[in-house]
Amino acid sequence: KNEVEQSPQNLTAQEGEFITINCSYSVGISALHWLQQHPGGGIVSLFMLSSGKKKHGRLIATINIQEKHSSLHITASHPRDSAVYICAVGAAGNKLTFGGGTRVLVKP
Amino acid sequence: ETGVTQSPTHLIKTRGQQVTLRCSSQSGHNTVSWYQQALGQGPQFIFQYYREEENGRGNFPPRFSGLQFPNYSSELNVNALELDDSSLYLCASSLAWVSSYNEQFFGPGTRLTVL
Repeated sequence: KNEVEQSPQNLTAQEGEFITINCSYSVGISALHWLQQHPGGGIVSLFMLSSGKKKHGRLIATINIQEKHSSLHITASHPRDSAVYICAVGAAGNKLTFGGGTRVLVKP
Repeated sequence: ETGVTQSPTHLIKTRGQQVTLRCSSQSGHNTVSWYQQALGQGPQFIFQYYREEENGRGNFPPRFSGLQFPNYSSELNVNALELDDSSLYLCASSLAWVSSYNEQFFGPGTRLTVL
């Protein structure tokens, strides 16, 4: 079993729909990242959180430390949100362990 | 403050050759981590350098080696290239403290193709 599991692996939504991506982890962590990767490879950090909830524009990330679970929500999705979203957990020593990613396609 | 940069962007090599990938860390960052991302998968940790010393290694053979320089730029070297080494290679820099975790900033990656 992988230390970081994401679901779903693939997701297709219509423009305007609400999207949720889930991440579960089995190791102790200092922080959890949500990352976005567009075709071509570059990774952009969306959120780093260790408790509670963070919001940036149409993106919301939550984490439940007790349940070892995090969610990334995209409200009013848009075709430009189409990308791979990756959950990664960080521990002491600054090492990251990544989930397999969720491929999101938002259709106009 | 400049971001993390990597060079080259793309690279094609043949099996058995050696390759060097380069990463320039974000200004002031003393830690760099290298990751390998195969197509359709999440990145896998290769190793990390902190103040020019290797500070942890993932499940990669010794033919994957690295260097970090006093200006905190770094290199990833891969000897005796194999077809399965074809991947996107990412570096990420951070300012590390012993007792805490700090955010990592990613470069755009180098896509290596081994023929």
